[in-house]
Amino acid sequence: AQSVAQPEDQVNVAEGNPLTVKCTYSVSGNPYLFWYVQYPNRGLQFLLKYITGDNLVKGSYGFEAEFNKSQTSFHLKKPSALVSDSALYFCAVRETGTYKYIFGTGTRLKVLA
Amino acid sequence: DGGITQSPKYLFRKEGQNVTLSCEQNLNHDAMYWYRQDPGQGLRLIYYSQIVNDFQKGDIAEGYSVSREKKESFPLTVTSAQKNPTAFYLCASSMGTENQPQHFGDGTRLSIL
Repeated sequence: AQSVAQPEDQVNVAEGNPLTVKCTYSVSGNPYLFWYVQYPNRGLQFLLKYITGDNLVKGSYGFEAEFNKSQTSFHLKKPSALVSDSALYFCAVRETGTYKYIFGTGTRLKVLA
Repeated sequence: DGGITQSPKYLFRKEGQNVTLSCEQNLNHDAMYWYRQDPGQGLRLIYYSQIVNDFQKGDIAEGYSVSREKKESFPLTVTSAQKNPTAFYLCASSMGTENQPQHFGDGTRLSIL
């Protein structure tokens, strides 16, 4: 079965430090991978996607993600965290051959001032 | 501005009552989705629709019903058969192609009176 895993429920990082939010996936065929951010009582906002090509994908708000095919990972990164980055982050993959998207369980990022 | 509008933002249900959550999009997207979000469980797919007058059950369809009479609209009815309806409900849409992300509304929070 196709799946997405976010192994950390919460990640804490000091403001100004680099951050990483981890995601691994299991799909058949080529993966179409996405990262979203959710603020309290709001919907999910799209950050970035990997379709094909460069393994380092740049997205909104200074976020980037590194695709690693051999490790089946798609980790979200940011060189310097802001307190305003504190939110819930979801990794997702488009299920092959369907219209469905599979989401991870989310990682809560807390950036400490 | 193009987007997805969910209403109401907050909704209360009495025992034995059906309630309907509205979702409208002006993005000209073919596909629409309903998710339920509970704390610590990520997003669970209730129903999705690839095209007008067609929809498919997701992972937790029991106790819910939908219709797709217009491309722009995908209302969700939470029936009295859904015994634990308290949750945050998110509507999303996408172009339908594999390399495109979903766009989300800002959710409806449903509670039991």
